[in-house]
Amino acid sequence: NAGVTQTPKFQVLKTGQSMTLQCAQDMNHNSMYWYRQDPGMGLRLIYYSASEGTTDKGEVPNGYNVSRSTTEDFPLRLLSAAPSQTSVYFCASSERLTVYGYTFGSGTRLTVV
Amino acid sequence: DQQVKQNSPSLSVQEGRISILNCDYTNSMFDYFLWYKKYPAEGPTFLISISSIKDKNEDGRFTVFLNKSAKHLSLHIVPSQPGDSAVYFCAASDTMNYGGSQGNLIFGKGTKLSVKP
Repeated sequence: NAGVTQTPKFQVLKTGQSMTLQCAQDMNHNSMYWYRQDPGMGLRLIYYSASEGTTDKGEVPNGYNVSRSTTEDFPLRLLSAAPSQTSVYFCASSERLTVYGYTFGSGTRLTVV
Repeated sequence: DQQVKQNSPSLSVQEGRISILNCDYTNSMFDYFLWYKKYPAEGPTFLISISSIKDKNEDGRFTVFLNKSAKHLSLHIVPSQPGDSAVYFCAASDTMNYGGSQGNLIFGKGTKLSVKP
């Protein structure tokens, strides 16, 4: 099925480790987004990409890095994992940079111990 | 400071009755509002939206009402069904500034709706 695919679905990291959360979409969407969902906090934007080759910071970018070298992929890198990064991470895409028509992935649940 | 507020973390409703989920916002520049629905272990899915030039938008059992003077919107589900049990997120945007530092989609904390048979 067409959509947004996130891998892995679950991950446990030790403090200080680095890792990359993968996100791929097959809808030829121009724009992609990374959100984190914490209990009682709703969804907060980490980084977004309006189109291939561009990225911008969202509300909570510290401790993360992204790149957008292809239209399909938008990986999120945790540089040195901290317990505060324990969260559920959602990737989303939309046809263009717009509030309309976000398609979300099913999420990655990350625990940092 | 929270710009989009969903003050009820949870709501329980009997099947067949009306569910009313509320959302308040503080930023008067917001001009587009959306509701997303999220089941456990899944990503949010778009449910319904409304532009600030309207005060009501209807889609089947779902209706969103917007009261700009009160900076308040609500989602009505009639009749409620057990399959509606999910977390509902309210989101808002200043679309004139979308993509800039002030214009990204802002989500509330969500309200967990439970519809009992």
